[in-house]
Amino acid sequence: EVQLVETGGGLVQPGKSLKLTCATSGFTFSNAWMHWVRQSPEKQLEWVAQIKAKSNNYATYYAESVKGRFTISRDDSKSSVYLQMNSLKEEDTAIYYCTGYYSYWGQGVMVTVSS
Amino acid sequence: DIQMTQSPSSMSVSLGDTVTITCRASQDVGIYVNWFQQKPGKSPRRMIYRATNLADGVPSRFSGSRSGSDYSLTISSLESEDVADYHCLQYDEYPPTFGGGTKLELK
Repeated sequence: EVQLVETGGGLVQPGKSLKLTCATSGFTFSNAWMHWVRQSPEKQLEWVAQIKAKSNNYATYYAESVKGRFTISRDDSKSSVYLQMNSLKEEDTAIYYCTGYYSYWGQGVMVTVSS
Repeated sequence: DIQMTQSPSSMSVSLGDTVTITCRASQDVGIYVNWFQQKPGKSPRRMIYRATNLADGVPSRFSGSRSGSDYSLTISSLESEDVADYHCLQYDEYPPTFGGGTKLELK
């Protein structure tokens, strides 16, 4: 059974940092291109970041809205993908999902940025 | 960025209806369009990939089609479990972009 479990969300003040973790099982993680996708309180989905596999040199891509503030990474030995979020803004408030191939999805984790 | 203009934003439907939701891409995205279903409090579920391919486990009443830059999701003979939000996604070019979503509601 495929499982993706996101952790690390919470309430944080603007300008602070948070690191999300997505632990996976049930599929060949090392080959998977992994993404973070977020959903605003208005229910709009937004792609955030992608990391490709080792065979693709772990290439990373970012939405313009998070470039320079967020960093996606992975640890194939732990079948996990991460999202380091720095300099958080109120507009980063959303449910954050990790997804593999857009086929496998986690349950999502809430991030609230507010003073 | 490529814009995916999704319509309608909401739709009042009846059980047994045939429902069609459309996304228009602002530029060519080829076959690289997915459709997702999302129920309240749940994660998106991929229903259609590469514009016309049914994802594993998805009922055959769902179908995807393409006409030029218009991509459609059709649900034939709507069942109660199909009442949900639907989203399209283009992943031909970075950044991948989603449509604005369509909310199906029962009359």
